[in-house]
Amino acid sequence: AQSVTQLGSHVSVSEGALVLLRCNYSSSVPPYLFWYVQYPNQGLQLLLKYTSAATLVKGINGFEAEFKKSETSFHLTKPSAHMSDAAEYFCAVTGEIQGAQKLVFGQGTRLTINP
Amino acid sequence: DTAVSQTPKYLVTQMGNDKSIKCEQNLGHDTMYWYKQDSKKFLKIMFSYNNKELIINETVPNRFSPKSPDKAHLNLHINSLELGDSAVYFCASSPRTGRTGYTFGSGTRLTVV
Repeated sequence: AQSVTQLGSHVSVSEGALVLLRCNYSSSVPPYLFWYVQYPNQGLQLLLKYTSAATLVKGINGFEAEFKKSETSFHLTKPSAHMSDAAEYFCAVTGEIQGAQKLVFGQGTRLTINP
Repeated sequence: DTAVSQTPKYLVTQMGNDKSIKCEQNLGHDTMYWYKQDSKKFLKIMFSYNNKELIINETVPNRFSPKSPDKAHLNLHINSLELGDSAVYFCASSPRTGRTGYTFGSGTRLTVV
């Protein structure tokens, strides 16, 4: 079975400050890991993905994440927050089990940016 | 040139009615999915189809019936709607392996009154 835990349902940072959103996963097969962003009343947009190549993954809008197998973590970071980063962020894991793929999401972290 | 498109975007209906949500993807993906996002923003898979074949059914009530006429379309029909069905429903697609990521539609907000 696969699962994802996002630590902190709500994170608030000042504009220009470091953004750190935490994600830990559990998977019985080699995982593929993703971060998605959801802006209000919109769909899910892929930020970045880990698919067993480089452990440090760079995504869109200046975000990056590091896969740490020993810690079963895939935390999302951005050096300097921008007001436009305010959104809901979802970490997700997928892997093939018994011939089927499915994306399992964490519960989401709402990021608020203070001016 | 939308990659995954869902219709309608909003759906308000009374309890007991039957409704359908349509989804189409033009990415050439083999696999399509339906996800439900509840009021707490939690996303849970409902169904997965691979090239028109049902491969995942996550203990969804049988009032929900997906239909895939071809690999580019996956529709969701809901019978006898209940208040608890109110949610945002997302369609998604991916290549067979899923490792490159899943592309989501913009969602259908269903409100049952």
